[in-house]
Amino acid sequence: QVQLQQWGAGLLKPSETLSLTCAVYGGSFSGYYWSWIRQPPGKGLELIGEINQISHRGGTDYHPSLKSRVTMSVDTSNNQFSLKLRSVTAADTAVYYCARGSTGPRLQSWGQGTLVIVSS
Amino acid sequence: DIVMTQSPDSLAVSLGERATINCKSSQSVLSRSNNKNYLAWFQQKPGQPPKLLIYWASFRESDVPDRFSGSGSGTDFTLTISSLQAEDVAVYYCQQYYSTPPLTFGGGTKVEIK
Repeated sequence: QVQLQQWGAGLLKPSETLSLTCAVYGGSFSGYYWSWIRQPPGKGLELIGEINQISHRGGTDYHPSLKSRVTMSVDTSNNQFSLKLRSVTAADTAVYYCARGSTGPRLQSWGQGTLVIVSS
Repeated sequence: DIVMTQSPDSLAVSLGERATINCKSSQSVLSRSNNKNYLAWFQQKPGQPPKLLIYWASFRESDVPDRFSGSGSGTDFTLTISSLQAEDVAVYYCQQYYSTPPLTFGGGTKVEIK
């Protein structure tokens, strides 16, 4: 049973860079999608992006509205993947989740979530 | 982007009664190549991450009770809880993974006990 454990800074000032890491226990990276999702307080879910480790093409796909500020990467040697979101504003305040999925169940296993607050 | 619209926003159901949640996509999420609907359902309880219940519109995740079922095809889908239990109080989301990026979610339906 795979487990995802995530961490990162929980309080940022506007214009800073959000940085989160998700460690994967009990599974490999190849053959899965690795995603970041966020949820503003009291609101719904938004996919930030995903890393494709299923096809030989590989690569990353980001939400079009965040594409200019987001970078996602994989560190296979440490079984981790990470999210960086630049130039944050109060609108980026949310609980951020990492997740693993496959072609069918796309978001099957989730991390515990990290609340990130952006405030001056 | 494919827009996912859920209804109702909330519903209150008596214990043991049926709960039905609807989800409509702005375009079909049915693949002609494999005849599968790229539609999933999630359950989220307060303070917890979402939990996958259903994928491919009707395939139940292994640890999900069989009172949960998914149906529908193309653009119209339904999540049914056949006999509501107290532990089913949660917000439920549908999600399409047919057209990416981005995967998109419905706005959520809050289920409460009447």
